[in-house]
Amino acid sequence: SFELTQPPSLTVSPGQTASITCSGDRLGDKYVCWYQQRPGQSPLMVIYNDNKRPSGIPERFSGSNSGNTATLTIGGAQTLDEADYYCQTWDSASTTALFGGGTRLTVL
Amino acid sequence: QVSLQESGPGMVKSSETLSLICTVSSDSINDYFWSWIRQPAGKGLEWIGRVYPSGITNYKPSLKSRVTISVDTSKRQISLTLTSVTAADSAVYYCARDPGPYAYMDVWGKGITVHVSS
Repeated sequence: SFELTQPPSLTVSPGQTASITCSGDRLGDKYVCWYQQRPGQSPLMVIYNDNKRPSGIPERFSGSNSGNTATLTIGGAQTLDEADYYCQTWDSASTTALFGGGTRLTVL
Repeated sequence: QVSLQESGPGMVKSSETLSLICTVSSDSINDYFWSWIRQPAGKGLEWIGRVYPSGITNYKPSLKSRVTISVDTSKRQISLTLTSVTAADSAVYYCARDPGPYAYMDVWGKGITVHVSS
């Protein structure tokens, strides 16, 4: 069955670029979206269709997807970006949505 | 801006049926898929399934035998039914709007915590 793999954690310093990866077999052939979840809150979509930003999401959030890896990039990470980030895709073969295991981003 | 509100019992007994409702604030319910997602305490997100008002449904294969998701457009409500629950079904349950067709969730409810007791 199709699976998405994310690193469990990532730590960056304020102002640095944070790159969170999501890997899956031929993931580049599918659309990927990314969610941010702060503690105690519902997830918030920050990227959809690989690289589209919803209204209200800061420009420092960007996405890419090619080959077997999708990447969420946060340019100039801020302490308010500390959260869990989840990638998600749609597997047409099984008509199922799938989430990655999540990456906890720490900015300190 | 549309808002979603989950409701239902906070506790369900093991082996019984969990039933939740998601109420949509706007009249655009007919234009979207509507998904249910859950998150056990301290763990990641798990997609349960989705429904389109025409009746199309998609379910996570491992839950398919126990799950039913349906929509009542007149009430602007999406329902989730999960049968034969166990402790493993304890989680925060979210409903979310899905513009489709490739299932991304652009609006989420606040979630409701459900505990399965033995």
